Amino acid sequence: EAGVTQFPSHSVIEKGQTVTLRCDPISGHDNLYWYRRVMGKEIKFLLHFVKESKQDESGMPNNRFLAERTGGTYSTLKVQPAELEDSGVYFCASSLQGQYYEQYFGPGTRLTVT
Amino acid sequence: QKEVEQNSGPLSVPEGAIASLNCTYSDRVSQSFFWYRQYSGKSPELIMSIYSNGDKEDGRFTAQLNKASQYVSLLIRDSQPSDSATYLCAVNKYGNKLVFGAGTILRVKS
Repeated sequence: EAGVTQFPSHSVIEKGQTVTLRCDPISGHDNLYWYRRVMGKEIKFLLHFVKESKQDESGMPNNRFLAERTGGTYSTLKVQPAELEDSGVYFCASSLQGQYYEQYFGPGTRLTVT
Repeated sequence: QKEVEQNSGPLSVPEGAIASLNCTYSDRVSQSFFWYRQYSGKSPELIMSIYSNGDKEDGRFTAQLNKASQYVSLLIRDSQPSDSATYLCAVNKYGNKLVFGAGTILRVKS
């Protein structure tokens, strides 16, 4: 069974540009999550999809971040325009529906904004 | 106060010893608890989950949960150099988002 995949693995962009990150969850996982780790900090929750619906987006830092999950399969996270403080590693995770919500993480996308 | 607290380490243990990693959490409504292992530059890898008070064993790993004390621990028996990594404690309150601790660096010396 394939795990969570993310693309690209690394992105370097200039301040003000736009970047789109993609996540493909484990097949059959209705729950999809985005997390972020900035340098020296803990991994922080960004948002949670159940199928195509946003269940919780309380962790999204501001309106420069837009997440979508059309059709309830893969998800994209767009940052527009990017700022220096957006640099970090963006992780995607997925889980089955159920009481205990074991989340499996993808390899992450390292975003560097210069 | 952080929601999930871990000693940053590094925790150094000799090969073959027991490594004991600890985590405390602040919110009593927390329902499920996870330990992830993260090698440098890699993604978090789920190694243990625990939901009820007591111990849960899986191979060389034992997770312990004490909800009254708001305390979770991970024991690694017969530690190997390949266990050297950062161990992340994560807490799930309402069935969706995980709240992570900063992680404990474990170094197993051969």
